[in-house]
Amino acid sequence: SQQGEEDPQALSIQEGENATMNCSYKTSINNLQWYRQNSGRGLVHLILIRSNEREKHSGRLRVTLDTSKKSSSLLITASRAADTASYFCATDARNQFYFGTGTSLTVIP
Amino acid sequence: DGGITQSPKYLFRKEGQNVTLSCEQNLNHDAMYWYRQDPGQGLRLIYYSQIVNDFQKGDIAEGYSVSREKKESFPLTVTSAQKNPTAFYLCASSIQSGVAGDYEQYFGPGTRLTVT
Repeated sequence: SQQGEEDPQALSIQEGENATMNCSYKTSINNLQWYRQNSGRGLVHLILIRSNEREKHSGRLRVTLDTSKKSSSLLITASRAADTASYFCATDARNQFYFGTGTSLTVIP
Repeated sequence: DGGITQSPKYLFRKEGQNVTLSCEQNLNHDAMYWYRQDPGQGLRLIYYSQIVNDFQKGDIAEGYSVSREKKESFPLTVTSAQKNPTAFYLCASSIQSGVAGDYEQYFGPGTRLTVT
């Protein structure tokens, strides 16, 4: 069964705006990861946050993790049209990965 | 050029036929995975292998089989027993990254299988 559930399912914003997507999961984890998928392609790893971390940054990405609420958020700042893709959270429990259903992000130029 | 290759990109088969999807990696990763993705949905784990000659069932292994005879290769066979085989199939591999226990996955480009 899938561990993660992303919210919202779809998000449409103007270029330059920030995009926030959320992920909830069910059981304890070693880490939580975010991936990006362009239409019809494989997934690309974006960022990993460990269970003992609360926030992590990478370029325009900011990830938070709240293990008490079993939730994470991904913030993309100053969005670009090229950020248009689906974004998935994945939880890692002893090298088994469970992916959420994804958030489809559309950035309008 | 390091990476994961999957072939073919598109595959068409008649119902009742077995079909094997190829996955090769030259990243020297120990672990490999097969996922299935249906339209508008996330990835579901079919099988995974952490070392050569060993593999484990994922959440939806019924109707699928795998082998791991070489570190770089992890082919997936979709058998006629799989009731709804039409889907996008993704292969991935992983290596420990950073602190012990942290693994990130590297994905191939996927194979879109259509069974009619």
